[in-house]
Amino acid sequence: AQSVAQPEDQVNVAEGNPLTVKCTYSVSGNPYLFWYVQYPNRGLQFLLKYITGDNLVKGSYGFEAEFNKSQTSFHLKKPSALVSDSALYFCAVRDSYSGGGADGLTFGKGTHLIIQP
Amino acid sequence: NAGVTQTPKFQVLKTGQSMTLQCAQDMNHNSMYWYRQDPGMGLRLIYYSASEGTTDKGEVPNGYNVSRLNKREFSLRLESAAPSQTSVYFCASSVMSTNEKLFFGSGTQLSVL
Repeated sequence: AQSVAQPEDQVNVAEGNPLTVKCTYSVSGNPYLFWYVQYPNRGLQFLLKYITGDNLVKGSYGFEAEFNKSQTSFHLKKPSALVSDSALYFCAVRDSYSGGGADGLTFGKGTHLIIQP
Repeated sequence: NAGVTQTPKFQVLKTGQSMTLQCAQDMNHNSMYWYRQDPGMGLRLIYYSASEGTTDKGEVPNGYNVSRLNKREFSLRLESAAPSQTSVYFCASSVMSTNEKLFFGSGTQLSVL
């Protein structure tokens, strides 16, 4: 079985400071990992994905995520936060053993990111 | 470029009433999905359609039915609404079922009293 955890319900960061939103996962095979962002009253938007290869993945809006196999983590990062980054962030995972595609995604509960001016 | 369009945006139902949520995409995607979002629970897949003419159950299909009307449209029907179906519903699409890059609509906020 696959699972994903976002241990923080909310993360507060001052504008201009680096930000990290945490995600850990559990799979039987290899993980396919994703980050999505949800702005108020909007649907989710794809940020980035890790399938294989380089452990540092770059995505949209200046975000990047670091894959760490030994810690089973896929934390989302940005060097300098903007107020406009304030949103709800979801991590998602699919186990390579599960086959299929998007229908096999498991989403985390989400982390509210609040960037303070 | 509209992307994924859902209607209605808001709906209030009484227990036992029925309704259909509409979804259309203009990106020529093959696969479409219906999710529900509940506080503290992330997104859960209700039904999906890998391609025109096919539909399959997701994680939480009970109480729902779907119709893939054509390549563009995928509707979700609640035959007899229950308070447990109060949620925000999202339609999404992807180029094909093996592609996890989903494009979401803006959601339908449904309350069942």
